[in-house]
Amino acid sequence: GNSVTQMEGPVTLSEEAFLTINCTYTATGYPSLFWYVQYPGEGLQLLLKATKADDKGSNKGFEATYRKETTSFHLEKGSVQVSDSAVYFCALSNRGYSTLTFGKGTMLLVSP
Amino acid sequence: GAVVSQHPSRVICKSGTSVKIECRSLDFQATTMFWYRQFPKQSLMLMATSNEGSKATYEQGVEKDKFLINHASLTLSTLTVTSAHPEDSSFYICGGADAGANVLTFGAGSRLTVL
Repeated sequence: GNSVTQMEGPVTLSEEAFLTINCTYTATGYPSLFWYVQYPGEGLQLLLKATKADDKGSNKGFEATYRKETTSFHLEKGSVQVSDSAVYFCALSNRGYSTLTFGKGTMLLVSP
Repeated sequence: GAVVSQHPSRVICKSGTSVKIECRSLDFQATTMFWYRQFPKQSLMLMATSNEGSKATYEQGVEKDKFLINHASLTLSTLTVTSAHPEDSSFYICGGADAGANVLTFGAGSRLTVL
């Protein structure tokens, strides 16, 4: 079956530091890959996505590249801000957005 | 944009009682509602999928008689945890999708603690 593994948190960084949150997956076929973010007290929000190998998803300074050869979709940001503090979920789907397999989530804490 | 309002955000109840969690779609009609739960240090796991006016489809290992899902309208879906026990303590989150939509809109989640 499908599965998503992402690094355990919390990840604690100072403002303007470089961020990487690792995500690897196991899936049949060619899934679409997603990063969701959950800010405190809010619902999960789609941050970015990629639907085929070598696609790069990007949004709000975050980016992730669909690497089929390493089955990875690592999330990166060059300079994090305090407002980026949230829980980040990596996910995949073989059937569009509607049915998702999630990772455990990684909490990011950014201090001033 | 599309918003799903989920209530309550936190609930504490005694063992044996029932708890209802509501998800309302605002500004869109949620034809399909997905219910997930997350145990500590675990992934979000799909519990069930419901379509408006139909019975919910439950994932393997999820007791349909314990987790009652009602999706009687296009803007409201409810999850009732019946006769809750401490092992039901978890984070429950709903996600709504309209017909043909390519975006799944999530609620903020409900943290249930059963004493």
